[in-house]
Amino acid sequence: NAGVTQTPKFRILKIGQSMTLQCTQDMNHNYMYWYRQDPGMGLKLIYYSVGAGITDKGEVPNGYNVSRSTTEDFPLRLELAAPSQTSVYFCASSYSIGSRNEQFFGPGTRLTVL
Amino acid sequence: AQSVTQLDSQVPVFEEAPVELRCNYSSSVSVYLFWYVQYPNQGLQLLLKYLSGSTLVKGINGFEAEFNKSQTSFHLRKPSVHISDTAEYFCAVTAMNRDDKIIFGKGTRLHILP
Repeated sequence: NAGVTQTPKFRILKIGQSMTLQCTQDMNHNYMYWYRQDPGMGLKLIYYSVGAGITDKGEVPNGYNVSRSTTEDFPLRLELAAPSQTSVYFCASSYSIGSRNEQFFGPGTRLTVL
Repeated sequence: AQSVTQLDSQVPVFEEAPVELRCNYSSSVSVYLFWYVQYPNQGLQLLLKYLSGSTLVKGINGFEAEFNKSQTSFHLRKPSVHISDTAEYFCAVTAMNRDDKIIFGKGTRLHILP
């Protein structure tokens, strides 16, 4: 049981480049989330999904896109990378949204945009 | 909507000394409360949670937290810290009995001094 896995662990992008951050969970969780973590700012929710085929915006969705074609996978796409997107990105999953259930986090992807 | 405030961004403490990390929340409805821990270069993991019942909650690694409804607080404590407790700690809140997202605080970095 690997839990939540993320790839890559590190990435450097040039301004204007695009990339996809991969996230996979093997716990059969319906709910999945993408957060970004900036120093001293805690976690900000980018997008979330309540099941395959259903996604919704979080607090800071601009500049990102997501898709959820399967229960297991929830990739995050950056189309035109900007320096403001330099951050650590965490994917998480839970049995249900908020409420009683804990979220399980992946190890993170550290992204630098130059 | 809910919000959470972690009053200290950094807390230095000597090894084997007690520690308290402070968390206050704001909500117009009843809430569930969580503490997550993030060890260096890792994702977040659940330390403990308050759902209902006893206001004193015990978690992993000897940590405990007390829910105080009148003071809207959920402070985290440990009677004797170890160097391995060096991490960032996040308080989080979500509305009870609703499909709502978890709101994370900005985090408190715990520095253990030898």
